[in-house]
Amino acid sequence: QKEVEQDPGPLSVPEGAIVSLNCTYSNSAFQYFMWYRQYSRKGPELLMYTYSSGNKEDGRFTAQVDKSSKYISLFIRDSQPSDSATYLCAMSGWQAGTALIFGKGTTLSVSS
Amino acid sequence: GAGVSQSPSNKVTEKGKDVELRCDPISGHTALYWYRQSLGQGLEFLIYFQGNSAPDKSGLPSDRFSAERTGGSVSTLTIQRTQQEDSAVYLCASSLVPRLAAPQETQYFGPGTRLLVL
Repeated sequence: QKEVEQDPGPLSVPEGAIVSLNCTYSNSAFQYFMWYRQYSRKGPELLMYTYSSGNKEDGRFTAQVDKSSKYISLFIRDSQPSDSATYLCAMSGWQAGTALIFGKGTTLSVSS
Repeated sequence: GAGVSQSPSNKVTEKGKDVELRCDPISGHTALYWYRQSLGQGLEFLIYFQGNSAPDKSGLPSDRFSAERTGGSVSTLTIQRTQQEDSAVYLCASSLVPRLAAPQETQYFGPGTRLLVL
C-alpha cells in the first residue's frame, strides 16, 4: 500500500460546479498537509497547506483534514476553466522523515 | 524576482548515454530538492541539499544517479548509462528555510526537464 493514495481521475466538470478532490494516507505521523496545483508543462505550485485536523478556507478553495480517518480533501467552489490542472496532495511530518510525500495527482478539467 | 530555472527543457538521449540536468534555485534559498515525475506515478523524491550539510540521497533509485550542488547554489543531477525507465520529468525545487525547520515551508518548483531515453 502506498503511503498516500489519490484517485488520478480524470475528473471533468462544468463551469460553476463544486469539485471535491481527496487523498487518503496510512502514516499517522503526517502532520502537515498541502495541496499543489500543476498546470500542463509547468512545475507544481503550492495552493494551500494545513496543520493537523480542521478546515482552512482561501477564496473559492477549502482544505479539510480528518486525521482520525487519515483523509484530506480539497473543495473548489464555483469552478472555473482556469482551475483545469492536476492537483497533488502532499504530506510531511517531523516523525515521518520530513520529506514531502506526494499523491499521484488528480487531473481536473472544467468546461465552459 | 526570478523563479527556479531548469535546463534543458527537453532532453532526448539514447539508452546508455549519460545526461546532466541543471537547476538554478531562487537566490537566497538554502534548501534544494530534486524530484522525478513519471506518468501515473506522482512526484518521487530523489535528493535534498541543505547548505553545506551532507545531502540526503535516500531517494536516489540507483547508483547511476548522482547530484551535486556547487557553492550552495546551482545543482546538477547526473544520470549515467541512461535506461528507458529513466524517462520522466525531473523537477527541481528550492525553499527558503531548511526542511527540518519547517517541513511545511513552501517549495518553489521549476518547470522541469523532460527526459526521453530512446
